[in-house]
Amino acid sequence: DIQMTQSPSTLSASVGDRVTISCRASQSIGTSLAWYQQKAGKGPNLLIYKASSLESGVPSRFSGSGSGTEFTLTISSLQPDDFATYYCHQYSDYSRTFGQGTTVEIK
Amino acid sequence: EVQLVESGGGLVQPGGSLRLSCVASGFSFSGFGMNWVRQAPGKGLEWVSYINNDSTLKYNAKPMKGRFTISRDNTKNSLYLQMNSLRAEDTAVYYCVRETFSAYFDSWGQGVLVTVSS
Repeated sequence: DIQMTQSPSTLSASVGDRVTISCRASQSIGTSLAWYQQKAGKGPNLLIYKASSLESGVPSRFSGSGSGTEFTLTISSLQPDDFATYYCHQYSDYSRTFGQGTTVEIK
Repeated sequence: EVQLVESGGGLVQPGGSLRLSCVASGFSFSGFGMNWVRQAPGKGLEWVSYINNDSTLKYNAKPMKGRFTISRDNTKNSLYLQMNSLRAEDTAVYYCVRETFSAYFDSWGQGVLVTVSS
């Protein structure tokens, strides 16, 4: 199975900061990568698909990049609503694995 | 609006069984592959099982093989997960998730809690 490794596990940041979260695949997945945001007690919400495509309705401060094994989620200017946990997800093969998550906390 | 509503969770003893259900609305259910994804308390997301739109293709994650069975009834817009031989480590919130034609997940239910404990 393809393993997904996210870093960092926790990130402390302030409103207005530029935030970057990394995700690495154990083998090449092309651009078959999505990013989700999850808030406490809720199901995840799709942000990015196909590594860099912004889901409809998601603010443009979110962006994704990368291909192959290295991927990045960037929040250009962190807003109060963005404090949450973020997961990457590969859908290149049937195992559909997730990264372990990155929690963005208030600094 | 896409809606996925899970039910059937609860407390079950180790070795017991439980059947989760998910009722879908707001889209053509028979046209989409569906998944179950779970999240243990305080932990990350773990994919559990997949079924394609006409039930001809099914996949399970390795820890669930032989114990969990995914199924669907397109006439009832419903997805199911039959869980047998449950273990303490199966304790989690279970989400019903729609899969797009490109295989990423675009809609999630609110989740249902399964607790395996004596």
